[in-house]
Amino acid sequence: KQEVTQIPAALSVPEGENLVLNCSFTDSAIYNLQWFRQDPGKGLTSLLLIQSSQREQTSGRLNASLDKSSGRSTLYIAASQPGDSATYLCAANAGGTSYGKLTFGQGTILTVHP
Amino acid sequence: ETGVTQSPTHLIKTRGQQVTLRCSSQSGHNTVSWYQQALGQGPQFIFQYYREEENGRGNFPPRFSGLQFPNYSSELNVNALELDDSALYLCASSSGVGGITGELFFGEGSRLTVL
Repeated sequence: KQEVTQIPAALSVPEGENLVLNCSFTDSAIYNLQWFRQDPGKGLTSLLLIQSSQREQTSGRLNASLDKSSGRSTLYIAASQPGDSATYLCAANAGGTSYGKLTFGQGTILTVHP
Repeated sequence: ETGVTQSPTHLIKTRGQQVTLRCSSQSGHNTVSWYQQALGQGPQFIFQYYREEENGRGNFPPRFSGLQFPNYSSELNVNALELDDSALYLCASSSGVGGITGELFFGEGSRLTVL
């Protein structure tokens, strides 16, 4: 059974700082890994998707890496801004007949203060 | 291209009642998945539908059921509501071909409160 853990549970940083959010998963047989952002009371916004054959993906100030062998992914946010404040969730996709099933971590609550 | 839309956005029910939540998938997507997110938790997979058939289910009792229609929209039905069913219910769509899929796109969710 896949289990996903995110560390830290909460993070508070001053504006402009670079930061790293961590995600670990127990079963390395994943199809892809997806990072999401969730604002309070809202749905999930997809940030980055990394296929199992890839090592990293970049979008603007965001960079996500994937190391299947160690069961880890990181989300790097450069030059953080107050608008980045949200909950960040990572999710592992098993693929195959379970391709719609994501296993989520508990999330990291990020606060960027001016 | 329209995104994933869900209705209603908020609703309040009492224990024992039944509820139906609706989801319209993103244009071109034939797979719909439903998730339950309790406050402060990550979403939990309920089930998924591919071409109108249930194709995978999480650890939820049979009183959670669903449908997918020919236009790929979907419904989530919950019978005999319990207080613990209070949560944000999220629908996600993706394009699945022969079991291969890419990115999942989520709607804004339906907030269910059971009193």
